[in-house]
Amino acid sequence: NAGVTQTPKFQVLKTGQSMTLQCAQDMNHNSMYWYRQDPGMGLRLIYYSASEGTTDKGEVPNGYNVSRLNKREFSLRLESAAPSQTSVYFCASSTGGGYYEQYFGPGTRLTVT
Amino acid sequence: GESVGLHLPTLSVQEGDNSIINCAYSNSASDYFIWYKQESGKGPQFIIDIRSNMDKRQGQRVTVLLNKTVKHLSLQIAATQPGDSAVYFCAENKGSYDKVIFGPGTSLSVIP
Repeated sequence: NAGVTQTPKFQVLKTGQSMTLQCAQDMNHNSMYWYRQDPGMGLRLIYYSASEGTTDKGEVPNGYNVSRLNKREFSLRLESAAPSQTSVYFCASSTGGGYYEQYFGPGTRLTVT
Repeated sequence: GESVGLHLPTLSVQEGDNSIINCAYSNSASDYFIWYKQESGKGPQFIIDIRSNMDKRQGQRVTVLLNKTVKHLSLQIAATQPGDSAVYFCAENKGSYDKVIFGPGTSLSVIP
């Protein structure tokens, strides 16, 4: 039982490049989330998915797209990376349905130059 | 706007003392609150939660208090240990099904 896994762990992009961050969970959770965490700051919700086939915007969705590929996987795509997107990205999952205990992945550290 | 914020960004306590971490929220529609602990280089880890129909909940060495009148949440850690050193976040569902928003965090440092 690996919990929540994220790939890659580290990534450096040039401004304008695109990439997809991958997240998978093996806990049969319904809800999945993407957060970003800037240095010395809290986590800000980018997008979330309450169930397979649905996605909703969080606090800071601009510049990102998501795909809930199936119940296990939730990916985050940066179409044209900007330096302001330099951050640590965390994926999380929860049972959902009114149960909010989230399990977090180890994070992806992204630098955009 | 709606927000979850913390009164103290940093807190230093002596090992063995009790710690109290505070959190203010402004969304009256929030009905679920969670405390997370984040150690350096890791993702947040669930500590304890509380629903809005409760004012107190206890776990192992931790207690969460909710005061809806003043929109205030606190996390109490009994007999603080060096392993408790971390950043602590409160989070709320903001009255929205499955949407969880985090506050800015408090860094707890335990002095041996």
